[in-house]
Amino acid sequence: DGGITQSPKYLFRKEGQNVTLSCEQNLNHDAMYWYRQDPGQGLRLIYYSQIVNDFQKGDIAEGYSVSREKKESFPLTVTSAQKNPTAFYLCASSMGTFGELFFGEGSRLTVL
Amino acid sequence: RKEVEQDPGPFNVPEGATVAFNCTYSNSASQSFFWYRQDCRKEPKLLMSVYSSGNEDGRFTAQLNRASQYISLLIRDSKLSDSATYLCVVISTRSGGGADGLTFGKGTHLIIQP
Repeated sequence: DGGITQSPKYLFRKEGQNVTLSCEQNLNHDAMYWYRQDPGQGLRLIYYSQIVNDFQKGDIAEGYSVSREKKESFPLTVTSAQKNPTAFYLCASSMGTFGELFFGEGSRLTVL
Repeated sequence: RKEVEQDPGPFNVPEGATVAFNCTYSNSASQSFFWYRQDCRKEPKLLMSVYSSGNEDGRFTAQLNRASQYISLLIRDSKLSDSATYLCVVISTRSGGGADGLTFGKGTHLIIQP
């Protein structure tokens, strides 16, 4: 079945360490997104990519980095520069930039 | 004024009742509207798109009021399984919200009680 796969589902990290979250989709979607959700808060856009080898910062890009070397893949690195990295991270994709979003199951990052 | 605003609730509703909630948006150039459902600690999933003429899917009805700039979601004969957070999504070509012109509301928390 087509869909979006995020891994790992749960991740624990020590302060000062970088961590990379994986996001893979086999929906043949052009656009991919990374969102962050904190308890009781809405989704906030970190980065998005409309096409391979291109990506743009979202509203809260500081302390994060991404790459889009393949259409299917859009990994997110949470760097040590991110001050409050503990959150629920959601990857999504859509056929066009303003289309219906399909989400992965999310990755829950906890910094110890 | 916030870009997309929802009453966070929680709305406590007895099973079988009808419940409705709104989502207001500030950008009059907004073009597309959706309702997503998010269960606790899960990813959001599309519930329904919102069309200008209004649309119905079983017990769920979504409506758009462009003049007053809000969308609504009505749930009839509510079930225990309807308990979730309902997120509205507004897409604009010139939105002041998210950089891609897609803005999420913070969600309305609905609790259906037996």
